[in-house]
Amino acid sequence: GAVVSQHPSRVICKSGTSVKIECRSLDFQATTMFWYRQFPKQSLMLMATSNEGSKATYEQGVEKDKFLINHASLTLSTLTVTSAHPEDSSFYICSARDGGQGILKPNYGYTFGSGTRLTVV
Amino acid sequence: AQSVTQLGSHVSVSEGALVLLRCNYSSSVPPYLFWYVQYPNQGLQLLLKYTSAATLVKGINGFEAEFKKSETSFHLTKPSAHMSDAAEYFCAVTVTRSGSYQLTFGKGTKLSVIP
Repeated sequence: GAVVSQHPSRVICKSGTSVKIECRSLDFQATTMFWYRQFPKQSLMLMATSNEGSKATYEQGVEKDKFLINHASLTLSTLTVTSAHPEDSSFYICSARDGGQGILKPNYGYTFGSGTRLTVV
Repeated sequence: AQSVTQLGSHVSVSEGALVLLRCNYSSSVPPYLFWYVQYPNQGLQLLLKYTSAATLVKGINGFEAEFKKSETSFHLTKPSAHMSDAAEYFCAVTVTRSGSYQLTFGKGTKLSVIP
């Protein structure tokens, strides 16, 4: 089945530094990738949607200059948290949708990465 | 706008007992509905999905869900709980925004299984 690899799984960084998180679709072409943020014991909040080769669409309230998203290829999207602060500490999860599978196809779905636990100290 | 509501943030069942996790949806168009499971510090795994075919959907690990339009519900069930079922469960609905499909999640239900 579809696999999405997300790295790193855990990262600790100092306040003011930048952190890059990678999300790769291993066996399918991800025309659309999604980035979520999850606070402890809460649901997933969509941060942005990115389509390969175009600018990401950010949800209301998400700072696009702080959370830089690049989707340069059909198999790779990156999220860079710039000038990280302790309040950016969270669990970040990416998701990818197989562009070759229409929504009625049996394999249609959103495949999630395993998440990245970011701690800013 | 499409949305889902999960009733009960925490459900406890005894091992071997019936699991019932509730999800109600709101949608002005036929919805596509999903159930996901999340284990601690991991991403989400798809359990099952409803895409307007059969109303009773069978998923992995013995879970199933029934789409009931009259009740706007898509509850998740499993006849007999196992210890390994302890996790967080999310109901989600597909919404269309700016020409692309996105998932909107419920707040989640934590399932505890008591030995």
